[in-house]
Amino acid sequence: KNQVEQSPQSLIILEGKNCTLQCNYTVSPFSNLRWYKQDTGRGPVSLTIMTFSENTKSNGRYTATLDADTKQSSLHITASQLSDSASYICVVSAAPGGSYIPTFGRGTSLIVHP
Amino acid sequence: SAVISQKPSRDICQRGTSLTIQCQVDSQVTMMFWYRQQPGQSLTLIATANQGSEATYESGFVIDKFPISRPNLTFSTLTVSNMSPEDSSIYLCSVAGGAGGTYNEQFFGPGTRLTVL
Repeated sequence: KNQVEQSPQSLIILEGKNCTLQCNYTVSPFSNLRWYKQDTGRGPVSLTIMTFSENTKSNGRYTATLDADTKQSSLHITASQLSDSASYICVVSAAPGGSYIPTFGRGTSLIVHP
Repeated sequence: SAVISQKPSRDICQRGTSLTIQCQVDSQVTMMFWYRQQPGQSLTLIATANQGSEATYESGFVIDKFPISRPNLTFSTLTVSNMSPEDSSIYLCSVAGGAGGTYNEQFFGPGTRLTVL
């Protein structure tokens, strides 16, 4: 069964600090992994998309890594800002031949305090 | 990227009534999806909206409760029928496979926040 597990479930950090969110998956065959940011009351917004051959991708202060061998990904946030307070969702899609329907993680709730 | 709008953005409804949510995309897309997100939870796929044919529902969701229409490549509706308080949730429209894009990219609408009293 395809699964995506995220940790921690929630995280509180001080403004300006760095943090790393984790995502482990069992989706097979693997196609791509996406990280989304979801502000409260809003739809998810894509941060990064990585395919099998990519092991790191950055989007401003957000850097995602992918280890396809261990089936792990991380999202690193540098110099956090109050506006980073949101839920971060890891989503993994299977390759053609598998189910196109992506598998969503439960998300990590990040709170950045001043 | 695709720009998605949803109507209404929020609503408060009485139990036993029905609400139809509209999803409009600014460009033609191959795939449209409807998700539900209950408080504190991640997204759960309700169904894939298929143009010109019946939607494909996920386990636990049925057409009588969540009828879906998709008359063309830019528009879809989801109806939440005979509502109960358990239907209180955020309903999200999502699309993938647009012109010049790939199925890797999936975009979400802003969501419709539904409260059933």
